[in-house]
Amino acid sequence: SQTIHQWPATLVQPVGSPLSLECTVEGTSNPNLYWYRQAAGRGLQLLFYSVGIGQISSEVPQNLSASRPQDRQFILSSKKLLLSDSGFYLCAWRQGGSYEQYFGPGTRLTVT
Amino acid sequence: DAKTTQPTSMDCAEGRAANLPCNHSTISGNEYVYWYRQIHSQGPQYIIHGLKNNETNEMASLIITEDRKSSTLILPHATLRDTAVYYCIVRVGSGAGSYQLTFGKGTKLSVIP
Repeated sequence: SQTIHQWPATLVQPVGSPLSLECTVEGTSNPNLYWYRQAAGRGLQLLFYSVGIGQISSEVPQNLSASRPQDRQFILSSKKLLLSDSGFYLCAWRQGGSYEQYFGPGTRLTVT
Repeated sequence: DAKTTQPTSMDCAEGRAANLPCNHSTISGNEYVYWYRQIHSQGPQYIIHGLKNNETNEMASLIITEDRKSSTLILPHATLRDTAVYYCIVRVGSGAGSYQLTFGKGTKLSVIP
């Protein structure tokens, strides 16, 4: 069966510090991968998606970036965090041709 | 994508059916209706989707009106573990290589003992 992992589960970082969040998927190949952010009390916002290794599409201009160095690995990064980057970050995967999207457990980021 | 409108919150007694409505009056012919839910502090969970026919799976039933302008998600026997925020999303199907989900604020369902 397929599983999706995210780490860390929680993170507290000072403003201006770098960020690296990792997501890995097991049990499938060539998935579509997604990064979402959910600010407190708000809905989900798509940040990046990837349909293959090295292929990244950005939905929202920001100081974040994403990379997909391996087929089932998706990384969210920032060189300098802002206070507004605080939120709940979710990674998701979807198999091409399917309707369902499966989410990881999320990382709660607090920028202080 | 078509816009959806959901009530902000609903209560349901444990063991009773929970009926969650969603209006999507601007839905186009190739757009599907999807439902996801998010239990507090967890990632969203796929529930069900449909195009125009009613659908049922082990989690829920989806009733779509004939004109497709609204739908209802039915949890037949709500339990306390069904307390969550439920999101109704309207989106083109899976044919494209990319498939982004955009969630609004959803309906907060509280199942009461």
